[in-house]
Amino acid sequence: GENVEQHPSTLSVQEGDSAVIKCTYSDSASNYFPWYKQELGKRPQLIIDIRSNVGEKKDQRIAVTLNKTAKHFSLHITETQPEDSAVYFCAAFKKLGNEKLTFGTGTRLTIIP
Amino acid sequence: GAGVSQTPSNKVTEKGKYVELRCDPISGHTALYWYRQSLGQGPEFLIYFQGTGAADDSGLPNDRFFAVRPEGSVSTLKIQRTERGDSAVYLCASSLNGGDRSTQYFGPGTRLTVL
Repeated sequence: GENVEQHPSTLSVQEGDSAVIKCTYSDSASNYFPWYKQELGKRPQLIIDIRSNVGEKKDQRIAVTLNKTAKHFSLHITETQPEDSAVYFCAAFKKLGNEKLTFGTGTRLTIIP
Repeated sequence: GAGVSQTPSNKVTEKGKYVELRCDPISGHTALYWYRQSLGQGPEFLIYFQGTGAADDSGLPNDRFFAVRPEGSVSTLKIQRTERGDSAVYLCASSLNGGDRSTQYFGPGTRLTVL
């Protein structure tokens, strides 16, 4: 089955700086990669996603890049703000076969004011 | 519109008891997923429904776990003879059609504590 690894497990950045979270996946058949943000005690919420036919996607301060050959994808947050503090999860989805998201172990991001 | 809802928000039970956790998906969503999230971990897949049928139950840890979706909307996750290791947050998600073209929207979860 699919295995998703996520690094780092914790990340602290100064407000206004950029944050980068990296994930790798094992199954080359995975074709959809969402990122979820989860605040303490709250539900995971989708913040951005990317499909395997695209190398990069951007939405305001958030961007995701995908390298299919290397089987890794990254989340980039620029101009970080205190409200960006949360746990971020990457995930991988394979269209054929298992209809499920396989999640990484999460990155706790802390923005230092 | 209303998002995915789950009840109860918290459930405390004793070892050996039976529990039911309920999920109300977004109206019109045909796909429904159950995940389990342990402290400090990402959600872990349990089961996927497409309509009324369980299309993939490969994530259910053992036969104490069972889930139904009799009318293709509300789903119930049932755990028999609960064990302390079952303590976790149980998350439900729904998507419009399933597959990789439909975003999965999560509910707030049910925190299950087995004493």
